[in-house]
Amino acid sequence: GQNIDQPTEMTATEGAIVQINCTYQTSGFNGLFWYQQHAGEAPTFLSYNVLDGLEEKGRFSSFLSRSKGYSYLLLKELQMKDSASYLCAVSAFSGGYNKLIFGAGTRLAVHP
Amino acid sequence: EAGVVQSPRYKIIEKKQPVAFWCNPISGHNTLYWYLQNLGQGPELLIRYENEEAVDDSQLPKDRFSAERLKGVDSTLKIQPAELGDSAVYLCASSLGGGGAHSTDTQYFGPGTRLTVL
Repeated sequence: GQNIDQPTEMTATEGAIVQINCTYQTSGFNGLFWYQQHAGEAPTFLSYNVLDGLEEKGRFSSFLSRSKGYSYLLLKELQMKDSASYLCAVSAFSGGYNKLIFGAGTRLAVHP
Repeated sequence: EAGVVQSPRYKIIEKKQPVAFWCNPISGHNTLYWYLQNLGQGPELLIRYENEEAVDDSQLPKDRFSAERLKGVDSTLKIQPAELGDSAVYLCASSLGGGGAHSTDTQYFGPGTRLTVL
């Protein structure tokens, strides 16, 4: 079966760095996505990793280790607007197509 | 460029009533998805369309849920009759598609319809 784990909640201070971890167990792995979702809004695409290593995009970076079934999202220079849920989603080949399997999300609260 | 458009944004109905949600994907996107998101959970796929064909509806409760994408663009998702447990956010997403079954297109989501069943 498919299983994705990420912490339920995290808090951090404005200007700091926070790392949100995601571990997964899946067959047919085809990459890992991170989405940001503000309350009541659409999930918005942040990053995609399919190879091992770190992908950097401005204040956000995402890391993947396929052998360990592990990813993290790193947020630097935190701003108040970064308070949101962060969804880890694994792309897995199942039933003839790639599917996105989402974790439950990590609610990040950024404090002044 | 407009994103994925969904309507209505909010819907409150009584149980046993029918309800329908509408989605207009990003222009040029061939693949369309309907997801269900419960509070505090990640989205769960209900159905996936490649153009007008439903290629994966294995998670759609077909006794009460139905969907269509007649011209391969807009889509509607219907529940009839609605039950209390159907209260959730219904998200529509789209992606370029055309890359075949192994394609890992980025999916772009609409704002969702928040359904409350009383």
